[in-house]
Amino acid sequence: QKEVEQDPGPLSVPEGAIVSLNCTYSNSAFQYFMWYRQYSRKGPELLMYTYSSGNKEDGRFTAQVDKSSKYISLFIRDSQPSDSATYLCAMRGTGTASKLTFGTGTRLQVTL
Amino acid sequence: GAVVSQHPSWVICKSGTSVKIECRSLDFQATTMFWYRQFPKQSLMLMATSNEGSKATYEQGVEKDKFLINHASLTLSTLTVTSAHPEDSSFYICSAGQAYEQYFGPGTRLTVT
Repeated sequence: QKEVEQDPGPLSVPEGAIVSLNCTYSNSAFQYFMWYRQYSRKGPELLMYTYSSGNKEDGRFTAQVDKSSKYISLFIRDSQPSDSATYLCAMRGTGTASKLTFGTGTRLQVTL
Repeated sequence: GAVVSQHPSWVICKSGTSVKIECRSLDFQATTMFWYRQFPKQSLMLMATSNEGSKATYEQGVEKDKFLINHASLTLSTLTVTSAHPEDSSFYICSAGQAYEQYFGPGTRLTVT
């Protein structure tokens, strides 16, 4: 079993839809959770990072963490064609040099 | 803030030659940098962790004599792919850690012919 599970998609939604992206994990040592957006042939761009269980909102993006269920989500409201990208969840334990463990990424396509 | 650059962005080399990729943190000091490789439609795989002034820590299965990492300063880490072969063709990405966040460079696409 992988430490982090993420549906690779692709996920296709119409413009304006609410998108829900999810990851589950098995390692309870993970304490920090991130979502990255990666456009084709580019490096990942940090979108959100959270520590506590609960919700964190930033513009059209909401990150949700449920540590008891080992489940994290990223919601995108009013999705735009420019949101079309691969979304990677990542997580790590404590310690500044603790390495990130990534999900496989979900490819999102927002259509006009 | 928190900008990481990589150079070159794209390189083609012949089999058997060596290629050096640079990773720089432009506006912060990074005591730790990470090197990843990514195959098409796959996630990032950590290759090694690079600490300024000390030897890099390689992940299991990564040949340290083939992928030489040097972290000479708080803003620069280099990855040298020695005696490159076509199977080394990949997208190489570095990241630099700041507190509990890592910022990624734009990546270097290596093609070995």
